Amino acid sequence: KNQVEQSPQSLIILEGKNCTLQCNYTVSPFSNLRWYKQDTGRGPVSLTIMTFSENTKSNGRYTATLDADTKQSSLHITASQLSDSASYICVVRVQTGANNLFFGTGTRLTVIP
Amino acid sequence: NAGVTQTPKFRVLKTGQSMTLLCAQDMNHEYMYWYRQDPGMGLRLIHYSVGEGTTAKGEVPDGYNVSRLKKQNFLLGLESAAPSQTSVYFCASSEKRGSSYNEQFFGPGTRLTVL
Repeated sequence: KNQVEQSPQSLIILEGKNCTLQCNYTVSPFSNLRWYKQDTGRGPVSLTIMTFSENTKSNGRYTATLDADTKQSSLHITASQLSDSASYICVVRVQTGANNLFFGTGTRLTVIP
Repeated sequence: NAGVTQTPKFRVLKTGQSMTLLCAQDMNHEYMYWYRQDPGMGLRLIHYSVGEGTTAKGEVPDGYNVSRLKKQNFLLGLESAAPSQTSVYFCASSEKRGSSYNEQFFGPGTRLTVL
């Protein structure tokens, strides 16, 4: 069964600290994986996309990793800011099928001063 | 560019009432999608469209209908609302569904409550 699981479900950190969010997937055949940021009351916005051949990709303070062998991805946030408070959603695309996007349930991150 | 816009932002319905959610995009995207987002669940695809005049069912299409009369607009209709349709609805668009790398751009969402 194609699934995308994220952990933790929620996380509270102090401003300036680092954190890492996890995404495990069982979907196949894998095409790519995106991390989205969803602010409260807004739609998701793409942070980064990872393809099969990419291990690490950075976007400012956000660094995503992908291990295609173990089917795991992580999103590391460095020197967190209050504006990082949001839900982070992992989305995996498969190569075939009409419904080829699988969404995780997200990690709710709260950054406190 | 406004991107993807949704109307209305909030709505409360009584069971059995009907309504239409409007999605508009100004990016000239071919593909458009309607999702619902419920607590503890990932976004689920309701219907999608690969071009003007075409629509297709997604994962959870029951109780909804859609129309794509113009390329820039995608309408989601509820003919007889039920409490199970209480949710946040997101519209999205992308350049081409067939390309694996194309990003979906999401609207701000419509929060619907059915009493």
